[in-house]
Amino acid sequence: DIQMTQSPSSLSASVGDRVTITCRPSQSISSYLNWYQQKPGKAPKLLIYAASSLQTGVPSRFSGSGSGTDFTLTISSLQPEDFATYSCQQSYSTPGTFGQGTKVEIK
Amino acid sequence: QVQLQESGPGLVKPSGTLSLTCAVSGGSISSSNWWSWVRQPPGKGLEWIGEIYHSGSTNYNPSLKSRVTISVDKSKNQFSLKLSSVTAADTAVYYCASRRQWQDYYYMDVWGKGTTVTVSS
Repeated sequence: DIQMTQSPSSLSASVGDRVTITCRPSQSISSYLNWYQQKPGKAPKLLIYAASSLQTGVPSRFSGSGSGTDFTLTISSLQPEDFATYSCQQSYSTPGTFGQGTKVEIK
Repeated sequence: QVQLQESGPGLVKPSGTLSLTCAVSGGSISSSNWWSWVRQPPGKGLEWIGEIYHSGSTNYNPSLKSRVTISVDKSKNQFSLKLSSVTAADTAVYYCASRRQWQDYYYMDVWGKGTTVTVSS
């Protein structure tokens, strides 16, 4: 299985901050990388697919970049509704493994 | 817009079989999507369990393959998960999701709300 490592595990930020979350797979996965947002007690919500494609309806402050073994999710200006846990998932091979999640908390 | 809804017992005894169903509404299970199960143990990350196509083709997580069966019922527009020989480690929130494909890429774009299953005597 491909192991997905996210950093940091958690971070504290203020509204308006620029936030960057990193995801590193244990092997190259080209651009086969998705990002999900999950709020407490809720199902995951797809934000980004194919490393950098924004899912319909997702605000443009969210962006994804990277390829191979180094990926980034960026929130350009953090909003109150963005406090949540963010997880990456590789779709390069079965099983489609997820990162452990990055919790974004209010500073 | 497709909607998904999980249902099934919230409590399963150790060594028993966990059985869940995901009802698909607002669309046909015979569409081009694959239909997936994902779980999340308390306080932990997401784990992909497996998926099924309306033809009956399946893919399973190798770590669970010996215990998992996913099936589809086109007449009821639903798909199901069975996980046998459960232990406390199988306690989790179980989600069903629709896996969409774009070019060579796939992603889960529609999710059910999730159902909590506890394994305990």
